[in-house]
Amino acid sequence: GPKVLQIPSHQIIDMGQMVTLNCDPVSNHLYFYWYKQILGQQMEFLVNFYNGKVMEKSKLFKDQFSVERPDGSYFTLKIQPTALEDSAVYFCASSSGLGPNQDTQYFGPGTRLLVL
Amino acid sequence: GEQVEQRPPHLSVREGDSAVITCTYTDPNSYYFFWYKQEPGASLQLLMKVFSSTEINEGQGFTVLLNKKDTRLSLNLTAAHPGDSAAYFCAVPRRSAGNKLTFGIGTRVLVRP
Repeated sequence: GPKVLQIPSHQIIDMGQMVTLNCDPVSNHLYFYWYKQILGQQMEFLVNFYNGKVMEKSKLFKDQFSVERPDGSYFTLKIQPTALEDSAVYFCASSSGLGPNQDTQYFGPGTRLLVL
Repeated sequence: GEQVEQRPPHLSVREGDSAVITCTYTDPNSYYFFWYKQEPGASLQLLMKVFSSTEINEGQGFTVLLNKKDTRLSLNLTAAHPGDSAAYFCAVPRRSAGNKLTFGIGTRVLVRP
C-alpha cells in the first residue's frame, strides 16, 4: 500500500534544544497530519495541514511547535525549545482528500523522540 | 469533543480462538470508522474502513460489527494465529476538524501457540 516515510527513526536531544522531525508523505497526497503517542498511552492528534496552512490544531500543539512543507519537500514538525514532556513517538500521516473515499490516513513508522 | 473508549487494553488468546475488541464512541453522527493494526516497532497498518451503511464487514481473518444504536464498533479476530499478535486501534474521524482522528487507547493482543 501507500507508504509514508519518517526521518529520523530515533532522536535523543537535550532539553531546550531544537528538533525537526521529517515526514515524506505519499506522493499525490494533499493533507498531512501529526499525531503524538506517549508510551503506553493513546495516540493523540496534534495538527493537520493543507495548502501551506494549519487547518486544525489540538491543545497539545504548543506554541513551541510549528509545521511546514516548503515547496513540496518534507512535511516537518519543529519543536523549539524542547521540554521533557515532549518525549514520545510522533507519527506522521497523509491522505489524498477529505471526502469519505479519499480520506484514509496512511501512517509513517514514527519518530521516537527522547528529551533528556 | 469526540470520545472513544476501547476495551480491553490487553487480550491473550490461544491460537485458533477468537478475540473481540470493542470501541464505543460518543458522536452519533459519525458515519465511518477505521481499524488499524500496529505490530511492535512498526507503523499503523489500515485493517478496514467501516461505513455506517453496513453493519457487518468481513476482512481476511476478521469481522467488524457496527451497532449504531449503541454507538459501538467491534473487531472480531476469528481463528487467531500468531501473526495477529499486535496492537489494534479503532479511530473515528471528525469531518468538521479536517478529519482529525480520535483513537481508542488500543488493545494489545497476544496469540499463544
